[in-house]
Amino acid sequence: GQQVMQIPQYQHVQEGEDFTTYCNSSTTLSNIQWYKQRPGGHPVFLIQLVKSGEVKKQKRLTFQFGEAKKNSSLHITATQTTDVGTYFCAGFTGANSKLTFGKGITLSVRP
Amino acid sequence: GAVVSQHPSRVICKSGTSVKIECRSLDFQATTMFWYRQFPKQSLMLMATSNEGSKATYEQGVEKDKFLINHASLTLSTLTVTSAHPEDSSFYICSARTTVSDGYTFGSGTRLTVV
Repeated sequence: GQQVMQIPQYQHVQEGEDFTTYCNSSTTLSNIQWYKQRPGGHPVFLIQLVKSGEVKKQKRLTFQFGEAKKNSSLHITATQTTDVGTYFCAGFTGANSKLTFGKGITLSVRP
Repeated sequence: GAVVSQHPSRVICKSGTSVKIECRSLDFQATTMFWYRQFPKQSLMLMATSNEGSKATYEQGVEKDKFLINHASLTLSTLTVTSAHPEDSSFYICSARTTVSDGYTFGSGTRLTVV
């Protein structure tokens, strides 16, 4: 079955440093979504990427969909303590497929 | 934006009892809702897809007689954990989406502790 992989599961950065994480799928995705879950909270939708090579920005966050639509990246510029949380990528393989979540990467930021 | 209301947020129950969790779409109609389970520091595992007016679709390995899902209206889906046991203790979250182009909107989750 479809697998969405996020490695590593934890990353620690110093406030102000940049952060990049990747998401890889075993199959071609029709689209990919990113979510953020704060400690003790629930996942919150951040962005959806649909087109091959698509790049979207949200303030300090940059999301990219790979050319082959099998991977994606999230880049945070100059991390802040408010960026702390777990970032999940999730992908669909087709119109009627289920959304499959990666295991997430938990980001901690040292002030 | 779309809001999904889930309650209770926390529940502690005795082993052998049943617990009902409600999930409501507040400002949109959700013909489909999804129920997830999340263990501490783990990913979201889809348990079942709840379809308004029809039977839920359960994922492999999820006992449909233990996790009863009812989706009686376009704005309400319920998950009942029957005869709960300590191993059912977990964080249960529901979600729905307004359109195909939108992301999923999640409820705030229910932390179930079975003692």
